[in-house]
Amino acid sequence: SYELTQSPSVSVFPGQTARITCSGDALPRQYANWYQQKAGQAPLMLIHKDTERASGIPERFSGSISGTTATLTISGVQAEDEADYYCQSTDKNNRYVVFGGGARVNVL
Amino acid sequence: EVQLVESGGGLVQPGGSLRLSCGASGFMFSDHYMDWVRQAPGKGLEWVGRSRNKANSFTTEYAASVQGRFIISRDESKNSVYLQMNSLKIEDTAVYYCARAPLSNYGMDVWGQGTTVTVSS
Repeated sequence: SYELTQSPSVSVFPGQTARITCSGDALPRQYANWYQQKAGQAPLMLIHKDTERASGIPERFSGSISGTTATLTISGVQAEDEADYYCQSTDKNNRYVVFGGGARVNVL
Repeated sequence: EVQLVESGGGLVQPGGSLRLSCGASGFMFSDHYMDWVRQAPGKGLEWVGRSRNKANSFTTEYAASVQGRFIISRDESKNSVYLQMNSLKIEDTAVYYCARAPLSNYGMDVWGQGTTVTVSS
């Protein structure tokens, strides 16, 4: 079955940049979407269609794609950004949905 | 206001059944794909299955882990999507979320608050 592989968790100081990667063979053909999940809350869509910020999402969140790797970048991390982050896409035939394993961003 | 509200979670014994409901409001329900996503305690998000929109004949897909045990259905008159869970296993214990997607892989832009299913004897 198709899998998305996310980079490990990252720890950053406020104001620094955090990057999380997501790798999958179908990513050149299928969009990557990104979600933030804080403790005890439902996920929140941050980025869709590889690079588009969802409505109301701050500009410090951005998405990019290069070949089989999608990247979520948080520029100028704030304390409130401490959360788990998940990438999501579909298989090459756009039939089955898949989530990456998640990566935690710790704000020191 | 665009909103999804899940209900129907609870405690069930292994081998039992449960039906979850997700009521939608504030948008054209039939235009959207509806997904079920679950999260086991302390674990990541796992896609369970989806119902495509009216334009795609409301067809369904399921993750391999639930194929043959879970069934997704919709009632357009009630703006609701359902997850019928049969032959439940301990490993089905999770918070279950419903989420809407405008199109197949355009992202899940609205999520419910989740409902908890516990499978235990």
